[in-house]
Amino acid sequence: AQKVTQAQTEISVVEKEDVTLDCVYETRDTTYYLFWYKQPPSGELVFLIRRNSFDEQNEISGRYSWNFQKSTSSFNFTITASQVVDSAVYFCALRLTNFGNEKLTFGTGTRLTIIP
Amino acid sequence: NAGVTQTPKFQVLKTGQSMTLQCAQDMNHEYMSWYRQDPGMGLRLIHYSVGAGITDQGEVPNGYNVSRSTTEDFPLRLLSAAPSQTSVYFCASSYSAGKGEKLFFGSGTQLSVL
Repeated sequence: AQKVTQAQTEISVVEKEDVTLDCVYETRDTTYYLFWYKQPPSGELVFLIRRNSFDEQNEISGRYSWNFQKSTSSFNFTITASQVVDSAVYFCALRLTNFGNEKLTFGTGTRLTIIP
Repeated sequence: NAGVTQTPKFQVLKTGQSMTLQCAQDMNHEYMSWYRQDPGMGLRLIHYSVGAGITDQGEVPNGYNVSRSTTEDFPLRLLSAAPSQTSVYFCASSYSAGKGEKLFFGSGTQLSVL
């Protein structure tokens, strides 16, 4: 069975600091996808990124970057120069591709608070 | 472009009452699912469907029923509400199952069972 662990329950940083959210996953499958979703105070879930298990290239999108390392089963998310609008709950998730097991498994989330 | 539409946004029930949470998507997605979100537990899968007429149980299915008579709709039924079902419910869909597609989420239903 697959599992996603987000050990950091809550993080607070001062605006403009960099912050990294950790995500560790477990699966026996060799083909899978990893996701990050953002849940701002309004409550909706916003898709941020998807990576497949065969692509370990790091990705950068503006102030956001993701570090995928299969060797440590980690998919960490870094926000550079944080802003108050980054305050949200962030979820890491894992999705397998074999028929009958396509569910998206979420971690318990990390609540990020950016202090102005 | 509506996406995934959930109704109602808020609901208060008494213990033992039944109700249906509605979910509709207009993106012709094969895969639909229901999650519940509880503090400290992330999102947990209740039921899912890989196409019309096909449903299956997720991680926490007890006390809930689903059906998928059309591609667009995937209602979640609470048969006899219990306080333990107080939660925020999200419906989500993706174009297909089995290909790692991202899920599109509805805006959620906040349910309180007294």
